[in-house]
Amino acid sequence: EPEVTQTPSHQVTQMGQEVILRCVPISNHLYFYWYRQILGQKVEFLVSFYNNEISEKSEIFDDQFSVERPDGSNFTLKIRSTKLEDSAMYFCASRDRGYSNQPQHFGDGTRLSIL
Amino acid sequence: KNEVEQSPQNLTAQEGEFITINCSYSVGISALHWLQQHPGGGIVSLFMLSSGKKKHGRLIATINIQEKHSSLHITASHPRDSAVYICAVRGNTGNQFYFGTGTSLTVIP
Repeated sequence: EPEVTQTPSHQVTQMGQEVILRCVPISNHLYFYWYRQILGQKVEFLVSFYNNEISEKSEIFDDQFSVERPDGSNFTLKIRSTKLEDSAMYFCASRDRGYSNQPQHFGDGTRLSIL
Repeated sequence: KNEVEQSPQNLTAQEGEFITINCSYSVGISALHWLQQHPGGGIVSLFMLSSGKKKHGRLIATINIQEKHSSLHITASHPRDSAVYICAVRGNTGNQFYFGTGTSLTVIP
């Protein structure tokens, strides 16, 4: 069964550095999402992406964050200048067209640790 | 504010027991998801509902739109069902998602 893959599984970065988290969604999917889960807390929606543009973003997704689909297969989340509070598990998800009956498929997540 | 509330927060059951996890939400929704998060952190989508009831194996999910409430039932629970079960809703005014804090289920052999 096709799956969403995320790399790396664990990223350790110094505060203030830029980080790029990578996701390869399922190939025929059209809608893409990033979520974050701080340790011990609930999952939070960051951003959704469709037709090469952001369709919705949360308050968390400020100017430090950006997303890109650079080559038709990868979907990336960039954090420009990382802060300690960016330490979290980041999940990518994708789904096919027809949101009313298509579930999201999640990757296994990237654990981001900011030092 | 919590747009999605789940209960209970923690649940311990004996193998074979019938389990119910509840979810209430306060926003208008276009769909409700039940997700399973394993101890390693990976998330699996179990159901997506916009009305009625869905069944998959030993899992049943129901939703009452008027009461803004959904339940996830597990019949004949098994230790491998031990995980965190998360309710999430998609708002009906855009592509925003709201998540519950999850219910941690432990099934004891």
